[in-house]
Amino acid sequence: NAGVTQTPKFRVLKTGQSMTLLCAQDMNHEYMYWYRQDPGMGLRLIHYSVGEGTTAKGEVPDGYNVSRLKKQNFLLGLESAAPSQTSVYFCASRQGPLYEQYFGPGTRLTVT
Amino acid sequence: KQEVTQIPAALSVPEGENLVLNCSFTDSAIYNLQWFRQDPGKGLTSLLLIQSSQREQTSGRLNASLDKSSGRSTLYIAASQPGDSATYLCAVRRSGGGADGLTFGKGTHLIIQP
Repeated sequence: NAGVTQTPKFRVLKTGQSMTLLCAQDMNHEYMYWYRQDPGMGLRLIHYSVGEGTTAKGEVPDGYNVSRLKKQNFLLGLESAAPSQTSVYFCASRQGPLYEQYFGPGTRLTVT
Repeated sequence: KQEVTQIPAALSVPEGENLVLNCSFTDSAIYNLQWFRQDPGKGLTSLLLIQSSQREQTSGRLNASLDKSSGRSTLYIAASQPGDSATYLCAVRRSGGGADGLTFGKGTHLIIQP
């Protein structure tokens, strides 16, 4: 039981490049989330999903897109990376709104 | 808009002391509150989850309380150990409509001196 895993762990992009971050969970959770963590800002919600095939915007969705084609996977895409997207990205999941949220180990992204 | 504040931002205490970390939130309409710890360069580890109908939760040396009406929660750590050194984060999930997900405080950076 690996819990929540994220791929890759580190990435450096040039401004304007695109990439996809992959989150996978093996706990059969319905809800999945993407957050970013920045110094002095705390963790902020980017997008989330309440089930396979659904996505919704969080607090800071601009510049990101997501997809949840399979229940166990939640993908975060950056179409045209900007230096302001330099951050640590965390994926999380939980069974439902009254349950604990479990986090992955994070992806450290640098955009130059 | 929900705002979560954690005080103090940093705390350094000798090993063995009991300590209290504070969390306050502006909107009392919450489903639950969750405490996490985060080690440097790592993800978040869930410590305790308190539902809005509960007053406290305990796990080992940790005890978390919730006073929803006043918008406050505390995390009590008994007999602190150097291994407790980490950043502790408090987060709330709002109830009712609107976006799902947690709203986080900025954390308390805790150092336990051996």
